[in-house]
Amino acid sequence: QVQLVESGGGLVKPGGSLRLSCATSGFTFSDHYMSWIRQAPGKGLEWVSYISGSSGFTNYADSVKGRFTISRDNAENSLYLQMNSLRAEDTGVYYCATAGASGSRIGPWGQGTLVTVSS
Amino acid sequence: DIQMTQSPSSLSVSLGDRVTIACRASRNINNDLNWYQQKAGRAPKLLIYAASSLQSGVPSRFSGSGSGTDFTLTISSLQPEDLATYFCQQSYYKWTFGQGTKVEVK
Repeated sequence: QVQLVESGGGLVKPGGSLRLSCATSGFTFSDHYMSWIRQAPGKGLEWVSYISGSSGFTNYADSVKGRFTISRDNAENSLYLQMNSLRAEDTGVYYCATAGASGSRIGPWGQGTLVTVSS
Repeated sequence: DIQMTQSPSSLSVSLGDRVTIACRASRNINNDLNWYQQKAGRAPKLLIYAASSLQSGVPSRFSGSGSGTDFTLTISSLQPEDLATYFCQQSYYKWTFGQGTKVEVK
């Protein structure tokens, strides 16, 4: 079955960096758009970024553009999110999710990894 | 960017009730609208895609309708396992989520 397992979350100071990883199995990774979505404590869902199967196309929310970089390794069936210049408002659970061949719908999702930005 | 507005933000209902949640887009998104269910402490789960298509494995008491700017998620008869927060999401231009609707027991 489809599995997505995020890692790399933790506590980081404002201005710091963190790299999240998402290891996947159970589907043809290179055929799927992949995405990162986050959820601040007690709040709703916020899309962060997505990447096409071939890595030829990426898109970012305005709130992270220029600070975060999404990438993937199709040979390793893995997705990454490099997060730089972190701010307190970046705190939350970060979910990795598939988005199908066309990027039109999201799921399945991983269980999430918590990122806390605090001094 | 496209804004998504859900109403109501919370709902107190009885088991067996019909539940309707609305989602409005700030501009025309055709039928590029999905619905998700999130239970406490869990990752979201896709319920409805392309406004009205039921995701495989989702009970038939869930249905979606609408196109353009106005969309609706309906639960025909609320079951205990349906107590959760529901989010709409547009995929017409980038992605945007609604703020969520929490469904609780009265």
